[in-house]
Amino acid sequence: GESVGLHLPTLSVQEGDNSIINCAYSNSASDYFIWYKQESGKGPQFIIDIRSNMDKRQGQRVTVLLNKTVKHLSLQIAATQPGDSAVYFCAETGSNTGKLIFGQGTTLQVKP
Amino acid sequence: DAGVIQSPRHEVTEMGQEVTLRCKPISGHDYLFWYRQTMMRGLELLIYFNNNVPIDDSGMPEDRFSAKMPNASFSTLKIQPSEPRDSAVYFCASSLVMGEKLFFGSGTQLSVL
Repeated sequence: GESVGLHLPTLSVQEGDNSIINCAYSNSASDYFIWYKQESGKGPQFIIDIRSNMDKRQGQRVTVLLNKTVKHLSLQIAATQPGDSAVYFCAETGSNTGKLIFGQGTTLQVKP
Repeated sequence: DAGVIQSPRHEVTEMGQEVTLRCKPISGHDYLFWYRQTMMRGLELLIYFNNNVPIDDSGMPEDRFSAKMPNASFSTLKIQPSEPRDSAVYFCASSLVMGEKLFFGSGTQLSVL
């Protein structure tokens, strides 16, 4: 079956450093991927998305990389700030259902 | 637009009581989703609607759960009777396109005692 999982449940980084959050997916036919940020007590907030016809997409301080060969997705956050502390979820659209399937999430802790 | 609006933000009830959660999607979004989030199971899709019509309710755990969307600007998720294992955060989300860029509400924290 389809599944999306995260390699590291918790990531701790120093303020100002770059963060890399990784995600593995199992369905090679998935054609859309998305990252969400969820702060405590709030709903998931859209960060960035990417389609399978791209390898890289950049936003403000964030970059998503897609490696279809190894079915791997990563979110890079440049110059990590305390406000980046949150749980980050990757999700993919199942090709045969069209539904977003969420991973379990990675907690990012930013140390001042 | 104010985004997806959910109410109440918190709900505490006793086992056996009926619980109704409410959602107002973003205007113009044709898709509405109900998710449940727990530590053990993460984000689970319960049901989604397209143009007010329920499309897939395979994630609804039991017959105790029901959802309606009487119009494009309002949806409810009802649990009757509620049980302690229903305690979770329930999110409503809406989107323009199926399977892409969902916008989530702030959620309803449900505690069933």
